[in-house]
Parts: sequence; C-alpha cells; structure tokens
Amino acid sequence: EVQLVESGGVLVQPGGSLRLSCVASAFTFSTHWMSWVRQAPGKGLEWVANIKQDGSERHYVDSVKGRFTISRDNAENSLYLQMNSLRGEDTAVYYCATMVEDRTGHLSFDYWGQGTLVTVSS
Amino acid sequence: DIQLTQSPSSLSASVGDRVTITCRSSHVINNYIAWFQQKPGKAPKSLIYAVSSLQSGVPSRFSGSGSVTDFTLTISSLQPEDFATYYCQHYDRYPITFGQGTRLEMK
Repeated sequence: EVQLVESGGVLVQPGGSLRLSCVASAFTFSTHWMSWVRQAPGKGLEWVANIKQDGSERHYVDSVKGRFTISRDNAENSLYLQMNSLRGEDTAVYYCATMVEDRTGHLSFDYWGQGTLVTVSS
Repeated sequence: DIQLTQSPSSLSASVGDRVTITCRSSHVINNYIAWFQQKPGKAPKSLIYAVSSLQSGVPSRFSGSGSVTDFTLTISSLQPEDFATYYCQHYDRYPITFGQGTRLEMK
C-alpha cells in the first residue's frame, strides 16, 4: 500500500523558516512527479509546488515563489519543502501527493499523505 | 489564472439520492479536470481524473462528465460514507487551482 508520511510541521514565528519532509514507501518514488498542497484552517485546497522525477523541473504558486523551495532525494524516497520568510497566511496543513503524468505531459494527483500542520504566529 | 466555481457550495441529501455537483471554469480547459473527496480531519482522496476516469478502487456510483468550461460530478445513489466535501481541480496549465468545495451533508 502506498504510504506518504509528512513531518516537520510546528509553530513558527513570522519571518521564520521551516523544512517539511515527506517519506514515501511502497511505490517507485523516483519515477513520479511529486507535489505539495496546503489547506488553511477551515479553507479549501491550494496547490503549492511540484517537482519532476529528477528534480530538473519545479513549479510554484506565485504566493510562495522566492520563499519556498521544493526538493527531493530519490535515494531516500523523500520529498522536502524548505519554507523561508514565513507569513501568517502560510498557516495550513501541508500535504504531499504523488502525481501521474499522462502522454501529453499533464499531471494529475494520485495518492496523498495525511498532512502536517504549520502554524505561523507570534 | 483559471478560476473554478463549484455549485452548490453546500447540499443536503439523503441516502439513495442522486447528487450532482457542478464545476465551472473561467477559461476553456482541455478536459484536465479532477475531483476529490475529503472528510473532516482527513487527507483528500482522488476520485476522478481527466473528467471521467475513475481512480482505482473508486465505486462506480461516482461518475464525471463535461467539457469546455462546465463539468459535473455525479453520485448515482448516495451511501452513508459519501457525506463529505468535494473539490474539483484543473491541471490544464500552471497554476493548478481547485474549486472552493461543495459540502455534502445528510438531510
């Protein structure tokens, strides 16, 4: 059974930094695009970033560009999200998710982790 | 950016009912629409991709349809475990965006 386990979410002050991790198992991690999606308390889902299998291509939502960096370590079956200059509006549960690429290169979400809560507050 | 508007925002229904949720896009989408189910305190679950393709293990009472800018998720006969919030999402181009969600409640 595919498993994605996120960790690293804590209470952090505005302007601070945090690194989230997602460890994958029971599938070939290195052959999948991966993504981070977040959900503010009581709100809807927001795509944050995704990364190609070899890390050569990354995409971000505008609100995190220049502050967040997505990365991966295929040897460790791990996905990361480095979050800098954190703001109150970054408070959310952060999910990692696998993506499936179709023959045209479009990516759909497949499996999701259980999420990790990041709270940005003084 | 592509805006997705779901209707209704909330819906009350009974077990056995047929339910339809609509997702309207602000731009033409080349059938790259997906649907997700989320229960309180849980991660989203992928239901449908490419408008109408069911993810593995998803019951056949769920179906998707639509084209251009208007898409629908239909549950043919509601089961107790189907009461949840449903989201549409496009993956036609960046940024990927989601609809605001439709909360399906028991009548």
